[in-house]
Parts: sequence; structure tokens; C-alpha cells
Amino acid sequence: ETGVTQSPTHLIKTRGQQVTLRCSSQSGHNTVSWYQQALGQGPQFIFQYYREEENGRGNFPPRFSGLQFPNYSSELNVNALELDDSALYLCASSLIGGAAFFGQGTRLTVV
Amino acid sequence: AQSVSQHNHHVILSEAASLELGCNYSYGGTVNLFWYVQYPGQHLQLLLKYFSGDPLVKGIKGFEAEFIKSKFSFNLRKPSVQWSDTAEYFCAVRTNAGKSTFGDGTTLTVKP
Repeated sequence: ETGVTQSPTHLIKTRGQQVTLRCSSQSGHNTVSWYQQALGQGPQFIFQYYREEENGRGNFPPRFSGLQFPNYSSELNVNALELDDSALYLCASSLIGGAAFFGQGTRLTVV
Repeated sequence: AQSVSQHNHHVILSEAASLELGCNYSYGGTVNLFWYVQYPGQHLQLLLKYFSGDPLVKGIKGFEAEFIKSKFSFNLRKPSVQWSDTAEYFCAVRTNAGKSTFGDGTTLTVKP
């Protein structure tokens, strides 16, 4: 079985720009969730998608948005980037209600 | 709002010592509980999970955790640690609404 893969691995953006991060779910999984992990902290839940609909959201502003595609892959979009958005972004896939399996993450740096 | 507290930020043990990492959460409803591990240079991996039933759950590599509902706790234990257990450990809670919350992690260093 293939694991969760994320692209790109590293990214540098300028404040005010927009960014799209991508995630391919583990084979057979129908749910994807996104997390932001700042240095020295645990992952912070951004949102979860199930069957292409958002079905859970953390305390992140609307400029954080996402998509889930019919093949269960997913995108995280962040508009109007701020310096504080610099972090490791993690994608995790699961069956609905099951344990999450994480990818390696995308390291985003906003300058 | 739910929260997860991991009391130990950094734990240093010698090989063969016993391990207990504390995890407490705040949420009044039904939760699923998880422990994840991140070895150096690797991604987060599931150690064990609790959904329902026997509150003592066993995971991979000899780890176990006990859910004590009255104490809102889900502490991780291992009777005898190895050098290869050096890693960062995260406790996580997920509600029925699908919202997950992680603790800030505990770094475990095992000295050979």
C-alpha cells in the first residue's frame, strides 16, 4: 500500500502571496485532514474533508481553504500569506473515524 | 474548547528504565485518544489508539496506554525503554465532530 505523500517538500513564498499544498491519500482512505505545526509545538488542526466536503474545522481564518478530489487527494490553499504562516504543514489520511496516517509534511517559509 | 496537556516536555532515561508520559485532556464529550511518535527525521506514526472498550490499550513496540475517564487522562507507558525509543511523542484527542487536538509533545532521550 502507498503511504501519504505531500508536495512540495519545501516552499518559500512572499508575504501577501497565495500558496497551494498537495496531498495524496493512502490507498483506500476516504478522509483527509490538514495540520499546521510550528516549531516546538504539536500539530494544530486546520480542517478535515470527507467525501469532498469539509466536516470539521479548527481555529483558522477563512483564508485557509481546502479541496478534496474524487480520488481522495487534497489541496490546502492559503491566501494573503503572513509571516506567522511559516510552519510545517501536515496532511493525514484515514478512513472516516479511523486513525490518521501522516505524510512527511511541507515546510513553508514566508518572507 | 478542547485542549491536551502533556506535562513532561523533555524526559531523559537510561536504557531499561521504565517510562510513563502524562497526557490530560479537557473535553466533556466522547473522545477518541491517540499517541503518535516521531522518530528523528521521520514522519508522525501511530503508536496506539483508544476508541472504546478495554481502557488499557497495547500498541506497537511494547507501548501501552491507560484511559482513565474520571481523570481525563491517557498516559503512555513502557516497562523498559531502548535507545531506539528516542523520539518525540504526541498525545491527541479527537471529538465526534471530527476535530483533533494534539499536545505540544514530549521529547524522550534514552541514553545507552
